[in-house]
Amino acid sequence: KQEVTQIPAALSVPEGENLVLNCSFTDSAIYNLQWFRQDPGKGLTSLLLIQSSQREQTSGRLNASLDKSSGRSTLYIAASQPGDSATYLCAPSEGQAGTALIFGKGTTLSVSS
Amino acid sequence: NAGVTQTPKFQVLKTGQSMTLQCAQDMNHNSMYWYRQDPGMGLRLIYYSASEGTTDKGEVPNGYNVSRLNKREFSLRLESAAPSQTSVYFCASIRLSPYEQYFGPGTRLTVT
Repeated sequence: KQEVTQIPAALSVPEGENLVLNCSFTDSAIYNLQWFRQDPGKGLTSLLLIQSSQREQTSGRLNASLDKSSGRSTLYIAASQPGDSATYLCAPSEGQAGTALIFGKGTTLSVSS
Repeated sequence: NAGVTQTPKFQVLKTGQSMTLQCAQDMNHNSMYWYRQDPGMGLRLIYYSASEGTTDKGEVPNGYNVSRLNKREFSLRLESAAPSQTSVYFCASIRLSPYEQYFGPGTRLTVT
């Protein structure tokens, strides 16, 4: 059974810092991996989707990498802003109908101004 | 294009009451899922519908029923609510190629 671990569980940084969030998963036979953002009391917003054949995906100040063979993904946030404060979740997927995303418990990020 | 919508946003029930959570998507996806999110447990799959007219159990289906009303709508029913069903419920719509899940804003349910 797929298990997902996210480190650190919480992170506090001053505005402007670059930071890395880590995600590891036990079953490398994945189809793709999604990174989500969840604001307090809100739903999940998809940030980046990396296919298993890809190594990286970029969207603005966000860059996600995937090393499928080692079961790791990282989310890099450049020049962090207070508006980046949220919980970040990673979720590898088998990519088939009927298979659930298995989520990590997330990293809660706080960016102070 | 509203994406995935859920109603209600908040609900308080007494033990034994029933209710239906509604979910709709306008992305023409075939597959739709219901998850619950609990502190320390992450998101767990309750039921899913791979296509219109089909539904299947997920990891934690006990105490719930679902209806795939049409391609757009997928509802979750609690027949006799229990305090253990206090949770945040998320509906997701799935694009199969490439595979990606889109989530609704959630329903926050409290059962007293």
